[in-house]
Parts: sequence; C-alpha cells; structure tokens
Amino acid sequence: EAQVTQNPRYLITVTGKKLTVTCSQNMNHEYMSWYRQDPGLGLRQIYYSMNVEVTDKGDVPEGYKVSRKEKRNFPLILESPSPNQTSLYFCASSPTRVAYEQYFGPGTRLTVT
Amino acid sequence: QKEVEQNSGPLSVPEGAIASLNCTYSDRGSQSFFWYRQYSGKSPELIMSIYSNGDKEDGRFTAQLNKASQYVSLLIRDSQPSDSATYLCAVNADPIYNQGGKLIFGQGTELSVKP
Repeated sequence: EAQVTQNPRYLITVTGKKLTVTCSQNMNHEYMSWYRQDPGLGLRQIYYSMNVEVTDKGDVPEGYKVSRKEKRNFPLILESPSPNQTSLYFCASSPTRVAYEQYFGPGTRLTVT
Repeated sequence: QKEVEQNSGPLSVPEGAIASLNCTYSDRGSQSFFWYRQYSGKSPELIMSIYSNGDKEDGRFTAQLNKASQYVSLLIRDSQPSDSATYLCAVNADPIYNQGGKLIFGQGTELSVKP
C-alpha cells in the first residue's frame, strides 16, 4: 500500500530532551516536507526537501533540524525541545520535485512539558 | 511575509446546497493553488489543484482561480454531510526563488453540512 508513515504517533517528552520523529514513504517520491499544525494557525511548513541531500527552510524552521540521506526517509529532529514546540506534526511527500499534490502522513502529536 | 487568508467559519449549509469556500493570497507571483480537505482527527488530503485562471471541475467540486484579484475559491455542489470537514487552501510561495518547494496554507475553513 502506498503510504507515508510517521513514528511515533504520540510522544510526551520533557524540555531539552532530544528527539527524532521519523517519516518514511514507499512511493519513490522526490519531494518531502514537514509541517506543524496549531489551532488558529493552520499548517505551517518547517522544512522541505526536493531531492536527496537537498533541504531548505520553510516558514518556521527555528528549533528543528532535518536530513535527507536517502530518498524514502526524512526525519525531523528536535535537538532541545521546548513547550512551544508542542504541536501536531505532519510529514508529506509529492511525486514531483516541488510542493504540488502532496500525500500526508497520519501525524505525530508531540507534547513537551 | 507571504499570506494566505481564509474565513475560519464555521460555514454551515443545508444538505444539497452549494458550499462556497474562499481564499485570498498576497504573493502575486504564485502560480499553483491547492485545496485540501481535513476531517477531524485526520491528515489533510488533496482534493483539487488549479494552475491557470478560470474554473476546473472534478465531480461535485469546482475550483476557481482569478490571479488578477489574487483569489481562489472552491465550490461544492450538492453538499453532503460527509463533506463536513475543514478545507485548507494552499499556495506555492516565491515559486522562482524557492523553485516550487515552499507551500503556504491558509488557516482553514470549517464546513458543516446539515442533513
């Protein structure tokens, strides 16, 4: 089944404890992206990748890191999480090299205390 | 700061009516426009994309784009209770500078279709 998977789906952690949210797609898509969704603010793009080893900042990259070492995986790293990073995170991928017609993963709900 | 604006709603329509969802954007250079539907507790799913001025129809859905007015809309004909969801407008930002990688979403419009 063609899909974007994220792990974990739910995570409660404490301030400052490094964490990684994994994202993987099995559709051989070129483009991948991370978003966060907060009430009243909609979806905001964190980082995106148009190809292996190519990443760029979205609108809200502060406090996040990403890497794209292989085509199928695009992990999101929070080196020192803070409570303002409590959010619902979505990974998405697109068969083109650009941000069009994206397929979203199921989401990861992160709580930082 | 590039912006995409939507009425947050909720927009309530009776079953069988036409639901009209609107979106304005600030980047005059934007070339690609998308409508995503998000059911409560679920992830967004693409329902329409539109790249040129005019109307694009897909079943009960029609996307309308007017680049001169920087306006894109989504019409849902014969609305059904199953259409009740939040509809997100998305616009590519700085397509030349960002080479199509950057996408800006509106805050979404909640649609409720009453039986």
